[in-house]
Amino acid sequence: GQQLNQSPQSMFIQEGEDVSMNCTSSSIFNTWLWYKQEPGEGPVLLIALYKAGELTSNGRLTAQFGITRKDSFLNISASIPSDVGIYFCAGLQGAQKLVFGQGTRLTINP
Amino acid sequence: DVKVTQSSRYLVKRTGEKVFLECVQDMDHENMFWYRQDPGLGLRLIYFSYDVKMKEKGDIPEGYSVSREKKERFSLILESASTNQTSMYLCASSPPDRVREKLFFGSGTQLSVL
Repeated sequence: GQQLNQSPQSMFIQEGEDVSMNCTSSSIFNTWLWYKQEPGEGPVLLIALYKAGELTSNGRLTAQFGITRKDSFLNISASIPSDVGIYFCAGLQGAQKLVFGQGTRLTINP
Repeated sequence: DVKVTQSSRYLVKRTGEKVFLECVQDMDHENMFWYRQDPGLGLRLIYFSYDVKMKEKGDIPEGYSVSREKKERFSLILESASTNQTSMYLCASSPPDRVREKLFFGSGTQLSVL
C-alpha cells in the first residue's frame, strides 16, 4: 500500500529543546494529520491540516501542510517531559484512504 | 468523554487458535477500523466498516476477518493465529461527516502468538 516516509525514526533530546519532524510522500494528499501516542495508549489527534500551505498551532505544537501537498512538518517548541511518545503523521487521499507514517519516537532527558 | 474500549489489554494465544478481538465505542460513530501497529511500520489498516453488517478490506486483510452486527461493536477475528500476527492491534472509530479522518483510538490489544 501507499507509504509515508516519516523522519527521524527516533529522537533523543534535552528538556527545553525544540523538536522538528517531517513526513513526505510521492503522492498528493488533501488532508494531513498528526497524532501522538503515549505509552500504553492509542494515538490521539493533535492537529489536522486541510489546505496546502496551511500553518496551524496547538499550544507549543505547530504543523504545516506542505505547498506541494506531498509533505507535512511538525514542530514542538520548548519540549517538556510529557511530550514523550510516538508521533505519527497521516495523510488522507480522497474521502476514505488514510495512510500513516512509521512514527517518530521522542525521548526527553530531563 | 468519548470512548473506544478494547476488551483485552494483553492476549497470549497459541498457533492455530481462533482469536477474537473485541472493540466497543460509545460515540454512535458509523465508521470503525482495525489497525495493527508494528515497530518501524507504523499503523496499517486491516479492515474497516462504514455501517452495520458492512465491511471493507484494508491494506493487510490476509488472515483476518471482521464482524459488525451492531453499530457500537466491531470484532476482529484471526481464523487461525500465526506467529507473524503477533502485534499491537488498535481499534478506532470516527463520525460519518467530513471529519471522518479524525479517528478516536482504543488503548490497544497486545497479542502474542506462540
